Amino acid sequence: KQEVTQIPAALSVPEGENLVLNCSFTDSAIYNLQWFRQDPGKGLTSLLLIQSSQREQTSGRLNASLDKSSGRSTLYIAASQPGDSATYLCALLNQAGTALIFGKGTTLSVSS
Amino acid sequence: DADVTQTPRNRITKTGKRIMLECSQTKGHDRMYWYRQDPGLGLRLIYYSFDVKDINKGEISDGYSVSRQAQAKFSLSLESAIPNQTALYFCATGPGDGGLETQYFGPGTRLLVL
Repeated sequence: KQEVTQIPAALSVPEGENLVLNCSFTDSAIYNLQWFRQDPGKGLTSLLLIQSSQREQTSGRLNASLDKSSGRSTLYIAASQPGDSATYLCALLNQAGTALIFGKGTTLSVSS
Repeated sequence: DADVTQTPRNRITKTGKRIMLECSQTKGHDRMYWYRQDPGLGLRLIYYSFDVKDINKGEISDGYSVSRQAQAKFSLSLESAIPNQTALYFCATGPGDGGLETQYFGPGTRLLVL
């Protein structure tokens, strides 16, 4: 059974810091890996999607990497801002393409 | 207007009551999903549907049922609510793009079962 683990569970940083969120998974047979953002009282928003054959994706200050052989992904956030404060969720689309399997998330707090 | 809407947004009910959560989407997607989120457990898939005639159980379907009334509507029912069904429920849709498949989430329904 695929398991997705996110470390750390919570992270507090001052504004301007660069930071890395980690995601690990147990089965490399995946369709894609995605990073979502969840704000309190709101749904999830997809940030970056890395297909199984890709190594990384970038969007603005965000960069996500994927290493299937080691079962790891990282989300790098450059020059963090208070508006980045949210919970970040890593999710894998299983190889059948039928379901997303989520980690429990990392709650990020960026102080000004 | 939001692409994926859920009603109600908040609901308090009593043990044993039947309750229905509704989801509508304007994205034109065939695929729809119901998840629940619990503190410390993350999101878990309850049911999913790839078209109106296709309904599939997810990881935690016991105690729940669903109805896909149309391409745009997918309802989740708790036939006899129990306290451990207290959770945040999300509906999501997806286009079925293979490796580019992502999901678009509604704002969630917070359910409290007393």
